[in-house]
Amino acid sequence: QVQLVQSGAEVKKPGTSVKVSCKASGNSLTELSMHWLRQAPGKGLEWMGGFDPEHGDTIYAQKFQGRVTMTEDTSTDTAYMELTRLRSDDTAVYYCAIAVKRRCFDPWGLGTLVTVSS
Amino acid sequence: DIQMTQSPSSLSASVGDRVTITCRASQSISMYLNWYQQKPGKAPKLLIYAASILQSGVPSRFTGSGSGTDFTLTISSLQPEDFATYYCQQSHNSPLTFGGGTKVEIK
Repeated sequence: QVQLVQSGAEVKKPGTSVKVSCKASGNSLTELSMHWLRQAPGKGLEWMGGFDPEHGDTIYAQKFQGRVTMTEDTSTDTAYMELTRLRSDDTAVYYCAIAVKRRCFDPWGLGTLVTVSS
Repeated sequence: DIQMTQSPSSLSASVGDRVTITCRASQSISMYLNWYQQKPGKAPKLLIYAASILQSGVPSRFTGSGSGTDFTLTISSLQPEDFATYYCQQSHNSPLTFGGGTKVEIK
């Protein structure tokens, strides 16, 4: 059973960057399709992007194109999501999750709260 | 982008009630519809995928139905642990999109 452990909460200034990590255990990252989603306080879920095994590439939601980079270190089975040029509306809990069974998500990490404030 | 619309946005129900949540897609998504349950401060949990397939370990009181643009999540007999927010998600096209959520509260 795959388990995902995310890095701790972050507080960032507007205009800076944040890099959130997600370590997978129970399976090699090379066998998984890792995705990132976020949830602003009191709001719904938003997909940011993830690995598309059909094309062998990472795809990003257009909303985040140019600001987000998702990478993987297969030697440590750790995935990373870096978001640049942070704004106050990027304040959210960021989740990593595994896409299975035609892109539903299971399991999820516990989430990483990123607060963007001056 | 495919828009997902859930209704109602919230509902109050009692233990033992039958609860139905609907999700409508802005275009046909075949059966590429998934349902999640989220409790406060927790990550979402997959309940149902491909519109009607119960995820392993999920109680059988949860059922999903529908295809095309209209989908339903039904809880046959609401239990205390079912009070939560429920989200639908389409996995037909990128960007993958979610409904706005339905909060199920105690009456």
